[in-house]
Amino acid sequence: GAGVSQTPSNKVTEKGKYVELRCDPISGHTALYWYRQSLGQGPEFLIYFQGTGAADDSGLPNDRFFAVRPEGSVSTLKIQRTERGDSAVYLCASSTSGTDTQYFGPGTRLTVL
Amino acid sequence: GQNIDQPTEMTATEGAIVQINCTYQTSGFNGLFWYQQHAGEAPTFLSYNVLDGLEEKGRFSSFLSRSKGYSYLLLKELQMKDSASYLCAVRSNNRLAFGKGNQVVVIP
Repeated sequence: GAGVSQTPSNKVTEKGKYVELRCDPISGHTALYWYRQSLGQGPEFLIYFQGTGAADDSGLPNDRFFAVRPEGSVSTLKIQRTERGDSAVYLCASSTSGTDTQYFGPGTRLTVL
Repeated sequence: GQNIDQPTEMTATEGAIVQINCTYQTSGFNGLFWYQQHAGEAPTFLSYNVLDGLEEKGRFSSFLSRSKGYSYLLLKELQMKDSASYLCAVRSNNRLAFGKGNQVVVIP
């Protein structure tokens, strides 16, 4: 079956701009996660959704970052007033529930110039 | 807080066995995962331990000691395609806390 998909695969933007990153989880997975991975580092947790609600958003670095999952499937990570330090690969993962194995998408590579 | 430690890089010969270690200190524990990540690709799930002991899955085995905060991943009969980063991750409160990853380079 289809895995987790993410669009776009690459995004280049200028400092101060707004970006949206999209994640399509595996069909039927109720839990969805966003992580951020910088070069040479492991993924860093950002936010966890169970269904439509954000069950844990404690990993979001500041209020420029926001994520939604209005229908309990597709999720969008939104970053306002982007900064060069936001450049990273943004990974999405999903699982059947919060206690099961997380399966990752290919990520979106964000570059802020 | 979470602290996950892994060695950064190792080189091994095709056909050999390699052991990748991971030590952790976490405020909660609900399982330890190993993922493989090739350059520019997504992490892919390899193994999961929640109880102490060894889990074997083909050429890959993973061991956990909760009292020592220690795990290892054993890769047997190394193949060139095993060249990748191996990430150790601890689950706590539904989130995964990852180490930096151990880069394994397989040479002929």
